[in-house]
Amino acid sequence: AQSVAQPEDQVNVAEGNPLTVKCTYSVSGNPYLFWYVQYPNRGLQFLLKYITGDNLVKGSYGFEAEFNKSQTSFHLKKPSALVSDSALYFCAVRDSSPTGANNLFFGTGTRLTVIP
Amino acid sequence: DGGITQSPKYLFRKEGQNVTLSCEQNLNHDAMYWYRQDPGQGLRLIYYSQIVNDFQKGDIAEGYSVSREKKESFPLTVTSAQKNPTAFYLCASSYGRTQNEKLFFGSGTQLSVL
Repeated sequence: AQSVAQPEDQVNVAEGNPLTVKCTYSVSGNPYLFWYVQYPNRGLQFLLKYITGDNLVKGSYGFEAEFNKSQTSFHLKKPSALVSDSALYFCAVRDSSPTGANNLFFGTGTRLTVIP
Repeated sequence: DGGITQSPKYLFRKEGQNVTLSCEQNLNHDAMYWYRQDPGQGLRLIYYSQIVNDFQKGDIAEGYSVSREKKESFPLTVTSAQKNPTAFYLCASSYGRTQNEKLFFGSGTQLSVL
């Protein structure tokens, strides 16, 4: 069975400081990992994904994420937070094996608040 | 929101009533999905369709029905059998060719019970 854990419901960070939003996952095969962002009353927007290769993935709006296979983690990071980064962030995983579940499985979300 | 239109933005359902949420995409995507979002629970898959005239149940299909008569359209009906329908409903689509594709989401429909 596949699952995603986002251990923090809320993350607060001061503007200009680095931010990290945590994600750990569980799949039977190799994972495809995604980060999405949701602004109030809107749909989700894609930020970045990991498929294979370089463990550091760069995405939209200056975000990046590091895949760590031994820790089964895929934390989202940004060197300098902006107030406009305040939103709800979702980590998602899909099992890449042919016998894996056919859908994308989402975490419960982490609300990021950047304080001016 | 990437060429996916959901309507209405807000919808109210009376007891015993069926309601239909619309989802239209002009991205020429083969695959379409319906998710339900509840506070603190993330997104849960209701139904998905990988091709016209075919669809599969997701994790929480009970009380819902869908159709896929056209590539562009994937309406979701919330039936009276769904006893707790209040939620934010999100439609998404993708090319449907590989498992590592990103999804494109609509702006969502907030369904509430009167």
